[in-house]
Amino acid sequence: EVQLLESGGGLVQPGGSLRLSCAASGFTFSNYAMNWVRQAPGKGLEWVSGTGGSGAGTHYADSVKGRFTISRDNSKNTLYLQMNSLRAEDTAVYYCAKVANSGYYEVLDYWGQGTLVTVSS
Amino acid sequence: QSVLTQPPSVSAAPGQKVTISCSGSSSNIGNNYVSWYQQLPGTAPKLLIYENNKRPSGIPDRFSGSKSGTSATLGITGLQTGDEADYYCATWDSSLSAVVFGGGTKLTVL
Repeated sequence: EVQLLESGGGLVQPGGSLRLSCAASGFTFSNYAMNWVRQAPGKGLEWVSGTGGSGAGTHYADSVKGRFTISRDNSKNTLYLQMNSLRAEDTAVYYCAKVANSGYYEVLDYWGQGTLVTVSS
Repeated sequence: QSVLTQPPSVSAAPGQKVTISCSGSSSNIGNNYVSWYQQLPGTAPKLLIYENNKRPSGIPDRFSGSKSGTSATLGITGLQTGDEADYYCATWDSSLSAVVFGGGTKLTVL
């Protein structure tokens, strides 16, 4: 059974940093691209970043480019999102999601339960 | 402002059919596949449709997808109260080199 478990969310001050983790199990992690998707309170889904199975080929939304870094440790079956220079508008539930067999980044067949990041003073 | 445009809400009676539209441009829907997601209240999104009209295993055939030009449509027949949720379209945008989501459509089953 595929499982994705995010952790690392919490309250951080504007300008601060946070690192999210997503522990994956139930599939061969290194074979699949992975994404981060966020959802601000009461708002819609916003794609944040994606990375290929090897960790190469990273992509970012313009809203986080230069501030967020996606990475993965395939030996630990874990996906990360390093978030720096956080802003109030980064407040959201952050989901990690597995890209399906097709490899198309918009086809996300499994999602975690999400971790809440709150940026506030 | 989302790159993909969806109606904020749609509604229909139980047993009826509803369609949800998703409008984009040549840099996204016009030249890439479209996926659709269902998000029930308080839960993570769930993949409903991928590659315009394919259903993952376990998704009933009451759900269908289509694409024409720079627009896509999700259809749901035989509406049930359990279908009340937010629905999102998504695709790759070749100009942005990014996944883009629609703003979401709230379905109410009256």
